[in-house]
Amino acid sequence: EAGVVQSPRYKIIEKKQPVAFWCNPISGHNTLYWYLQNLGQGPELLIRYENEEAVDDSQLPKDRFSAERLKGVDSTLKIQPAELGDSAVYLCASSFSSGRENEQFFGPGTRLTVL
Amino acid sequence: QKEVEQDPGPLSVPEGAIVSLNCTYSNSAFQYFMWYRQYSRKGPELLMYTYSSGNKEDGRFTAQVDKSSKYISLFIRDSQPSDSATYLCAMSENDYKLSFGAGTTVTVRA
Repeated sequence: EAGVVQSPRYKIIEKKQPVAFWCNPISGHNTLYWYLQNLGQGPELLIRYENEEAVDDSQLPKDRFSAERLKGVDSTLKIQPAELGDSAVYLCASSFSSGRENEQFFGPGTRLTVL
Repeated sequence: QKEVEQDPGPLSVPEGAIVSLNCTYSNSAFQYFMWYRQYSRKGPELLMYTYSSGNKEDGRFTAQVDKSSKYISLFIRDSQPSDSATYLCAMSENDYKLSFGAGTTVTVRA
């Protein structure tokens, strides 16, 4: 069974440029998460989707970050404009819902470097 | 003070040694405890998933939870060079919100 798929794996951009990351969750997982992982730190939740609905976006910096999950399957996270401090790994995870949300499976991540 | 504390290491052990990792936490409402393994430039991989206090064993891996002390441990027996990675502890109350430790970097020397 395929795991969580993310692309691109690496992205280098200049500050003030836009960037987008894509995620396809494990088949059958209707809950999808985007996390941010800084170097030497654990992942931090940005947003959680139940199907196509963003049910927790309280940690998403909405002035520059946006996300969507059309049709409740794959998802896109966008940053516009990117800042130097956005350099990090962006992880996507998925899980079943209904009592198993804390058993989350992560993708390989997208490593973003903002110059 | 962070909700979950984890010694970042690094930890270096010879092949065949027992690796001992641990985390402490402050939130007594945590009920679910997880260990993730993260290889360099990869995403975290769920290694162990436990509920409440007690021990859980899976092959060379043993997870222990002591809720009275707010302390969890992961032991790796007969460590192999392929176990070299960063190990992250994570915990949650009873929902999707995971609180992660910062991770401990482990190197197993051949």
